[in-house]
Amino acid sequence: DTGVSQNPRHKITKRGQNVTFRCDPISEHNRLYWYRQTLGQGPEFLTYFQNEAQLEKSRLLSDRFSAERPKGSFSTLEIQRTEQGDSAMYLCASSLTETHGEQFFGPGTRLTVL
Amino acid sequence: AQKVTQAQTEISVVEKEDVTLDCVYETRDTTYYLFWYKQPPSGELVFLIRRNSFDEQNEISGRYSWNFQKSTSSFNFTITASQVVDSAVYFCALKPGGSYIPTFGRGTSLIVHP
Repeated sequence: DTGVSQNPRHKITKRGQNVTFRCDPISEHNRLYWYRQTLGQGPEFLTYFQNEAQLEKSRLLSDRFSAERPKGSFSTLEIQRTEQGDSAMYLCASSLTETHGEQFFGPGTRLTVL
Repeated sequence: AQKVTQAQTEISVVEKEDVTLDCVYETRDTTYYLFWYKQPPSGELVFLIRRNSFDEQNEISGRYSWNFQKSTSSFNFTITASQVVDSAVYFCALKPGGSYIPTFGRGTSLIVHP
């Protein structure tokens, strides 16, 4: 068990470009979450998958954001036409147990939009 | 709506001092779960503890202890005999019983000086 992994760890892009991040959860975990964290703040929920189904999306997730989890394994988060306000740490987490289960977080992808 | 308040933005102590991190929460749910996570400089959130709303027993794990008081809606975290390795940002989180999504506080940065 290697834990939750995320790639890339850092991404610098110019405003208006598209970026895609990948998350590989712990293999037996069927739940996968994306969060955004800005400096001095706690993680803010973006979206949640149970297996391949995207069950909930935050209002923070504008139409420029899209997430997928094909085959219920890894997940991708794409941001189109990036804006400077998108600069943040994007965290992925996974869990196995029911709604009260603790989540296991990856190291995050730090996005800087110039 | 759920709310988690960590009023202490930053705490600085000298090694071997005891330190308490405060967490106050708001919820209308009768069933809920409280969590503490540690985020070291590497960035990866590490789960520390989960407590459900029906279990007010305090818990001790090594140098860590947690005090859950429903009467004051608080779930405080104490580190005894702090060490430099305890330096990190600590987050308190609240999850309603019927939800998959936790609400995080803004975190408390703990700096332990040698």
